[in-house]
Amino acid sequence: DVKVTQSSRYLVKRTGEKVFLECVQDMDHENMFWYRQDPGLGLRLIYFSYDVKMKEKGDIPEGYSVSREKKERFSLILESASTNQTSMYLCASSSESLGQGKSAFFGQGTRLTVV
Amino acid sequence: DAKTTQPPSMDCAEGRAANLPCNHSTISGNEYVYWYRQIHSQGPQYIIHGLKNNETNEMASLIITEDRKSSTLILPHATLRDTAVYYCIVRLLTGANNLFFGTGTRLTVIP
Repeated sequence: DVKVTQSSRYLVKRTGEKVFLECVQDMDHENMFWYRQDPGLGLRLIYFSYDVKMKEKGDIPEGYSVSREKKERFSLILESASTNQTSMYLCASSSESLGQGKSAFFGQGTRLTVV
Repeated sequence: DAKTTQPPSMDCAEGRAANLPCNHSTISGNEYVYWYRQIHSQGPQYIIHGLKNNETNEMASLIITEDRKSSTLILPHATLRDTAVYYCIVRLLTGANNLFFGTGTRLTVIP
């Protein structure tokens, strides 16, 4: 089974802190994604990456950056955390192969609270 | 990628079929319809996908209209464990690999 692991389930950070959210997948997937999920807004794409060192902005990249130095790891960085970045963060990965129609596999999520 | 429209919530009696509709009137010819669900406190889970033919797997059936502007996800015998938010997504199979989720349909299965 594909496994997408997010480093923390719950995180509390102070305003202005630099925050790193880590995501690791074990299926050699080319594509990785970061979403945030807020009540009434569904899942919104922050950034995605289709290869090592490659990244593309999603719908809401402002205030975030990402890093993909290795294929299996995709990090989301909040340069200076703010209270409006309190949210559930979800990481996903998918393959370029046609297996399961390139369906995406999600991690369990990190609930970040910025105080 | 085309956007989708889903009802915000639905109820279904346990053991009955749950039929979840999705409108995707701007879908293009090479975009697929995908369904995911998210059970409380978990990440979304892939259910099924299709292009124009109806599809069935162990979890659900997907019925796509002939003009491809709408589809229905069918859970044939809903259980309490099927209570979740269901997302309908349309996307290309190749090229840009981003997934755009909307707000989905919150399905509540009632005992």
